[in-house]
Amino acid sequence: ETGVTQTPRHLVMGMTNKKSLKCEQHLGHNAMYWYKQSAKKPLELMFVYNFKEQTENNSVPSRFSPECPNSSHLFLHLHTLQPEDSALYLCASSQEQAPFSSYEQYFGPGTRLTVT
Amino acid sequence: QKEVEQNSGPLSVPEGAIASLNCTYSDRVSQSFFWYRQYSGKSPELIMSIYSNGDKEDGRFTAQLNKASQYVSLLIRDSQPSDSATYLCAVNIGYGNKLVFGAGTILRVKS
Repeated sequence: ETGVTQTPRHLVMGMTNKKSLKCEQHLGHNAMYWYKQSAKKPLELMFVYNFKEQTENNSVPSRFSPECPNSSHLFLHLHTLQPEDSALYLCASSQEQAPFSSYEQYFGPGTRLTVT
Repeated sequence: QKEVEQNSGPLSVPEGAIASLNCTYSDRVSQSFFWYRQYSGKSPELIMSIYSNGDKEDGRFTAQLNKASQYVSLLIRDSQPSDSATYLCAVNIGYGNKLVFGAGTILRVKS
């Protein structure tokens, strides 16, 4: 595997289900990100992890729960989602976060989530 | 005012022409600027990064940065139909390292 991988690629879940999205990066990076991309809206940053520590929570509802067990893996646990949470969820990675600047971020293929 | 603004397009150019994509940003202290290409149904792909004022060239792509004017652009020379995609501008906002993305410009290259 190369780059950033995400599973599953497509997910349909009911509002009462619990599911998890998985992301793995093979780039030797130390920072990982979750983004949400809804139709007709810009990419929205959700969470940032730097060396396994969460450094950013962009006011994301608690029904989204991230987990970063090590610098190569990132999860997004989902429970009691709403239909408006249907979107493309993208994982990205970069070198460790730097003060006052940003390193290049590389994206995975995304998980297309539909909440019914 | 939005933090990162792009014309949504679509921008239509004939094959072989130069496509010019523009982006303005609100924060004077921003230091890192990126262009991503996103095909329909796919994830964003990094094309260019630029950190200093001036031009940066990579193949058919040239990124231009003017921090005084808070303006970054992407030129695509010899445009090909395969360049048809949405182009996203991303800027780090403030003294932190959070990237903010523009809504993207749709580019259509007609053969």
